Amino acid sequence: GESVGLHLPTLSVQEGDNSIINCAYSNSASDYFIWYKQESGKGPQFIIDIRSNMDKRQGQRVTVLLNKTVKHLSLQIAATQPGDSAVYFCAESSPYAGGTSYGKLTFGQGTILTVHP
Amino acid sequence: DAGVTQSPTHLIKTRGQQVTLRCSPISGHKSVSWYQQVLGQGPQFIFQYYEKEERGRGNFPDRFSARQFPNYSSELNVNALLLGDSALYLCASSLASLGTGNQPQHFGDGTRLSIL
Repeated sequence: GESVGLHLPTLSVQEGDNSIINCAYSNSASDYFIWYKQESGKGPQFIIDIRSNMDKRQGQRVTVLLNKTVKHLSLQIAATQPGDSAVYFCAESSPYAGGTSYGKLTFGQGTILTVHP
Repeated sequence: DAGVTQSPTHLIKTRGQQVTLRCSPISGHKSVSWYQQVLGQGPQFIFQYYEKEERGRGNFPDRFSARQFPNYSSELNVNALLLGDSALYLCASSLASLGTGNQPQHFGDGTRLSIL
């Protein structure tokens, strides 16, 4: 079956450090990946996405790397700030199948990022 | 700009009751998905609707149903509530359509459902 998992359930860093959150996925048919940030009491907030025809994509202070060979995804956060403290989820989606089940996201368990001032 | 809005924010029910949760997507988004998030886990896909039709269904019992209205808002219904239905129910909308491929899904803050 499909599954998306995270290597580390918790990550603790100092303010100003760079953070790297990892994610492994098992569905080789997955072609779209998203990182979300979820703060307590809120819904997941979109951070960045990447399609399987790319290896790297950069946003503001964030970079997502995709290694399809080993089915691995990572999120890099530069100059981590206390406001970055949250649970981070990776999610994957499989290609369209005749218009059915598209857009279904499969989430991993999540990594808790704690940033110390 | 208004994001995805969900109502109510919190709800307490007892076993055997029925509940209806509501979702308004971001303006212009025609695709709406529902997810269940149990404490300490990632969201689990329940349904996706596009243009008022069910386009995908997760591994949930028939007690769960949903619909999408002409204005693209959506309702999730759960019948015969069980203690295990206690969770955060999330709605997400996106610009995805049959011709665009996957697009980012944007989530509301959810409805916290507690079953006593």
